[in-house]
Amino acid sequence: GQQLNQSPQSMFIQEGEDVSMNCTSSSIFNTWLWYKQDPGEGPVLLIALYKAGELTSNGRLTAQFGITRKDSFLNISASIPSDVGIYFCAGQATNFGNEKLTFGTGTRLTIIP
Amino acid sequence: GAVVSQHPSWVICKSGTSVKIECRSLDFQATTMFWYRQFPKQSLMLMATSNEGSKATYEQGVEKDKFLINHASLTLSTLTVTSAHPEDSSFYICSARDQARTDTQYFGPGTRLTVL
Repeated sequence: GQQLNQSPQSMFIQEGEDVSMNCTSSSIFNTWLWYKQDPGEGPVLLIALYKAGELTSNGRLTAQFGITRKDSFLNISASIPSDVGIYFCAGQATNFGNEKLTFGTGTRLTIIP
Repeated sequence: GAVVSQHPSWVICKSGTSVKIECRSLDFQATTMFWYRQFPKQSLMLMATSNEGSKATYEQGVEKDKFLINHASLTLSTLTVTSAHPEDSSFYICSARDQARTDTQYFGPGTRLTVL
């Protein structure tokens, strides 16, 4: 099936650093979602974006819905140890929750002591 | 709110046996649930969309006779892996649509299936 391209694939940063990752698609999506997955767990929703150009924050996390509707960005400020995990973007063709999600390839975040 | 549970959290079975995995929405009703499969170090791949009271819609390449889905109530969907083989070993994750509130999909904690 289709997957969205995420970059970088992995990141190694020090605690306190800011993090940026992005997600791109060859097709348009009308909803972008960002999830975090810890090992052996299901993904947890971080931020949902519903309009092109929308910028939404959730604590230290900020995500943007690209103007072209083919990309999205996630920023994490002042990283802390609990930010470690895999971050997935997901796109949805509509704004309706019964529409299936297409997931990105994931960005693995590691914090170096 | 918006809690989704899965049972069991892990299961080990012999090749050729069938395994049933349950997905429940605990504090909301879900007319639509989704089943995903995730192999190690890979992303989630949608297997099928489960609609309450009707047949599931399977993604291309997913065998509907091997992965039986039943969505008999607004809070429960089950995935049965029939005649499991080692290549079916994976992490199976469900999600449920919270239509009444956020109309967003919330994920369960996953079920680790190991077929010997």
